[in-house]
Amino acid sequence: DAGVIQSPRHEVTEMGQEVTLRCKPISGHNSLFWYRQTMMRGLELLIYFNNNVPIDDSGMPEDRFSAKMPNASFSTLKIQPSEPRDSAVYFCASRAGTGRNEKLFFGSGTQLSVL
Amino acid sequence: GNSVTQMEGPVTLSEEAFLTINCTYTATGYPSLFWYVQYPGEGLQLLLKATKADDKGSNKGFEATYRKETTSFHLEKGSVQVSDSAVYFCALSDPSGGGADGLTFGKGTHLIIQP
Repeated sequence: DAGVIQSPRHEVTEMGQEVTLRCKPISGHNSLFWYRQTMMRGLELLIYFNNNVPIDDSGMPEDRFSAKMPNASFSTLKIQPSEPRDSAVYFCASRAGTGRNEKLFFGSGTQLSVL
Repeated sequence: GNSVTQMEGPVTLSEEAFLTINCTYTATGYPSLFWYVQYPGEGLQLLLKATKADDKGSNKGFEATYRKETTSFHLEKGSVQVSDSAVYFCALSDPSGGGADGLTFGKGTHLIIQP
């Protein structure tokens, strides 16, 4: 398996523009997570899905952020409108089960720069 | 709520030195504990885990023991190599705490090994 695939690897955009980040989880995994990584706050959980259903989005910073998982093999994280403070590395991760001992598999991340 | 505290970096060591990265946690239930490692330009990957008190997780010469009495999970390695240079994240999973069914991560410790 190719692992968790994220695109794009790098995104540079201007303030106010819409940004869409994409994730393809490992086939057969039924949990998917979106994280944001910054120097100041470290790794923050934004939202996670079980069986394509959003379970907890309490980490989503504000209404400008939205996430969808239309099917088991694809998820998007959208920021509209984007702001400079959204600049960070965004990671998608997937997990085979829902047990707390199951490990997460991370993608390589999307480096987002909002100018 | 749950939290993980780990020593701030960067930690700079010479090759073959002994490594300790401290990690302590706060959890409402009985968490599983993890160390993840992030190499430059990549996502996080599981290094080792322990699921109950007194368990020792080990991998690639690294080990950590789940100490319930001190709520700690310190990472150790007897002789580090340049290839161990990375960012190390301590994490816990504790769905019983009422939080998200993901992981709570520490802020990460950047380890630099000099030849």
